[in-house]
Amino acid sequence: GAGVSQTPSNKVTEKGKYVELRCDPISGHTALYWYRQSLGQGPEFLIYFQGTGAADDSGLPNDRFFAVRPEGSVSTLKIQRTERGDSAVYLCASSLTSLDTQYFGPGTRLTVL
Amino acid sequence: AQSVTQLGSHVSVSEGALVLLRCNYSSSVPPYLFWYVQYPNQGLQLLLKYTSAATLVKGINGFEAEFKKSETSFHLTKPSAHMSDAAEYFCAVSVNTGNQFYFGTGTSLTVIP
Repeated sequence: GAGVSQTPSNKVTEKGKYVELRCDPISGHTALYWYRQSLGQGPEFLIYFQGTGAADDSGLPNDRFFAVRPEGSVSTLKIQRTERGDSAVYLCASSLTSLDTQYFGPGTRLTVL
Repeated sequence: AQSVTQLGSHVSVSEGALVLLRCNYSSSVPPYLFWYVQYPNQGLQLLLKYTSAATLVKGINGFEAEFKKSETSFHLTKPSAHMSDAAEYFCAVSVNTGNQFYFGTGTSLTVIP
């Protein structure tokens, strides 16, 4: 079946703009994770959804970052007033339940000019 | 708090030689431990995971890792390196809630023909 998909694959924006990054998880997976990976670093946890609710959003760096998963499937990561320091690859992963194998998407490379 | 340390950001081995990638963790509770691989231009893929069953865990592509509580280690090994093993390897830890995963900074493996 289809894996985790993320769109767009690349996003270039200007400082101060608003961006939305989309994640389509594997069908039936209840757990969904967002990570941020900066150059030369490992993925950094941002937020975890179980179903429609954000079970843990402690990794979001500040209130410019927000994520939703209204129907328990597709998720959108939203970044307001982007800053150059937000430039990174944003990864999405889904799993059947928490602690099951996470399947990662290819990521969205965000560049803030 | 949980964290992961990967010793050696770059490791080079000859084709056919032993692969040893080091991972040490810190966790205040019994951890779940994972190794992921990231091939160039591909998403993260689970190699293997330890979830409190057998301490020696076998994964895909001939890799295995041993959980050593006394050493707080979870090193990844493969008896004989293949050219196709060249990739970035990440160690990760999670506590039993499965909410958050903490990744190391990664080790880039180069296989020399």
